[in-house]
Amino acid sequence: QKEVEQNSGPLSVPEGAIASLNCTYSDRGSQSFFWYRQYSGKSPELIMFIYSNGDKEDGRFTAQLNKASQYVSLLIRDSQPSDSATYLCAVKVTGGGNKLTFGTGTQLKVEL
Amino acid sequence: GAVVSQHPSRVICKSGTSVKIECRSLDFQATTMFWYRQFPKQSLMLMATSNEGSKATYEQGVEKDKFLINHASLTLSTLTVTSAHPEDSSFYICSAPKEVVTDTQYFGPGTRLTVL
Repeated sequence: QKEVEQNSGPLSVPEGAIASLNCTYSDRGSQSFFWYRQYSGKSPELIMFIYSNGDKEDGRFTAQLNKASQYVSLLIRDSQPSDSATYLCAVKVTGGGNKLTFGTGTQLKVEL
Repeated sequence: GAVVSQHPSRVICKSGTSVKIECRSLDFQATTMFWYRQFPKQSLMLMATSNEGSKATYEQGVEKDKFLINHASLTLSTLTVTSAHPEDSSFYICSAPKEVVTDTQYFGPGTRLTVL
């Protein structure tokens, strides 16, 4: 079982819709959770992090964390074509120091 | 603005040569930095953890004699790919944790290595 799992996609949504990206993790003791966006040929850029159960909003982005279900998600409201990218979920696992474990990423396509 | 820089952004070299890649944290100190490799259409693969003042910690399967890591100061880590071969061609990315509370990692822009 992979430590961090994401559906590889592609996930296609129309412009203006809500994109929902999901991630599950296996280490119940995981503390911090991160979402990165990676455009083709570029390095990942941080979108947001979350470490408390519930929702965290930042502009058009909302991260949701449910530690009981070992589930973290990212919602993108009013999706734009510029949001088309691969979204990486990363988890800071227990006893791993600062090391992050990444999912394989979900490719999002926002269509006109 | 950028918080982690990498140099060079792109390098092409001949098989058998060594290539050094620099990773710098900008306006913050990083006792730990991370080196990743990413092949086309694949996810990030952590290669090693660079530790300031001590030896790097390599992930399983990564040859430490081939990928030399030196964390010379609190703002600089270098990765040297020794005796590079075409199969080492990849996108190399470093990251450094900045935020004290969450250790949020920020990535450098990456170095694309092509070995001919």
